[in-house]
Amino acid sequence: NAGVTQTPKFQVLKTGQSMTLQCAQDMNHNSMYWYRQDPGMGLRLIYYSASEGTTDKGEVPNGYNVSRLNKREFSLRLESAAPSQTSVYFCASSGERRGRDFYEQYFGPGTRLTVT
Amino acid sequence: KNEVEQSPQNLTAQEGEFITINCSYSVGISALHWLQQHPGGGIVSLFMLSSGKKKHGRLIATINIQEKHSSLHITASHPRDSAVYICAVLRYGGSQGNLIFGKGTKLSVKP
Repeated sequence: NAGVTQTPKFQVLKTGQSMTLQCAQDMNHNSMYWYRQDPGMGLRLIYYSASEGTTDKGEVPNGYNVSRLNKREFSLRLESAAPSQTSVYFCASSGERRGRDFYEQYFGPGTRLTVT
Repeated sequence: KNEVEQSPQNLTAQEGEFITINCSYSVGISALHWLQQHPGGGIVSLFMLSSGKKKHGRLIATINIQEKHSSLHITASHPRDSAVYICAVLRYGGSQGNLIFGKGTKLSVKP
């Protein structure tokens, strides 16, 4: 049971290049999230998916696209990377547990992205 | 003004000390989440609570909904507790995507 996995762990891109960050969870969770974390700021939501086939914008969606490929996988794409997208990216998931009203989020290990 | 404020921003303690980290928020919430971010970067969920108090090992989390305040306490602190502790609130009426995060409290426990 790996929990939430992310690839790659590190990436360096040149301005204008594109890439896709991959995320997968094996906890059968319905909801998945992409966050970015920048120095001196709290985690900020980029996009989330409440269930397979649905996605919604978060606080900072500009410059990103997402795909909820199936229940397990939720990818984040940068079509044309910019230096402002240099950050640490976290994927998370949450799901129903018997007797719980609110669902804890479980985080992946993060991807450290540098755009030069 | 940030909707979720944590204090202190940085905290240094000696091993064995009792530690308190505070979280205040300005919006109506359904629940509050305490997270721990290790020096290596990984983020782990500690508690999610909507009222009262929860305890897990040496960690205790309390919440006062009327005062819009939560505290995370660590008893008998240890150097392995050194981490960033993050408070996040689930806005009332919001979906699971509506977590609002504080900036974190960096704790360093010296042996």
